[in-house]
Amino acid sequence: QQQVKQSPQSLIVQKGGISIINCAYENTAFDYFPWYQQFPGKGPALLIAIRPDVSEKKEGRFTISFNKSAKQFSLHIMDSQPGDSATYFCAASANFGNEKLTFGTGTRLTIIP
Amino acid sequence: EAQVTQNPRYLITVTGKKLTVTCSQNMNHEYMSWYRQDPGLGLRQIYYSMNVEVTDKGDVPEGYKVSRKEKRNFPLILESPSPNQTSLYFCASSLTPTSTQYFGPGTRLLVL
Repeated sequence: QQQVKQSPQSLIVQKGGISIINCAYENTAFDYFPWYQQFPGKGPALLIAIRPDVSEKKEGRFTISFNKSAKQFSLHIMDSQPGDSATYFCAASANFGNEKLTFGTGTRLTIIP
Repeated sequence: EAQVTQNPRYLITVTGKKLTVTCSQNMNHEYMSWYRQDPGLGLRQIYYSMNVEVTDKGDVPEGYKVSRKEKRNFPLILESPSPNQTSLYFCASSLTPTSTQYFGPGTRLLVL
């Protein structure tokens, strides 16, 4: 049972455009939602994370939007650059994040010039 | 340099031949975990450890063992590997489950 559903599986965006990746979860106990970025041949690295007490968190060009009632959260990459081309994973955890992370299936993002 | 190291990086083996993938971190992190990454399935947690001598099953623990005798090391053991364990494996560590997880470079395993 996939507890965190991520879409799309792959995404192509033109340079300068907005990249949007969506995730939906089922477990209402989840209360910590990080996004990880993975470049080819490397391990994932934490990009940005949010807790459900806020609806949005922004760090530079990266923004997480969170909709608690819909049990959905999304990553927005503004002014997308070729260097943003990577695989992105959403994840969720419960008990104020003290329980294991459950990852989405990943989105391969390609930014074209 | 703060890092998580894994060895070996690449491994080809045969069904049933026991193997160990080592993981070591130099950041004094208490929380460590193992993941496998498969196309279309994302990252799935195999085992995790909250501290020395404290380990627990993740989502896909079958066919794997771990131990945490020292804080810095968290080896993954496949007692009798099977072809369905062919995958890309990542070790990760963090101060707590919610603090930034630092991932190792990955171990690509092929079981024939």
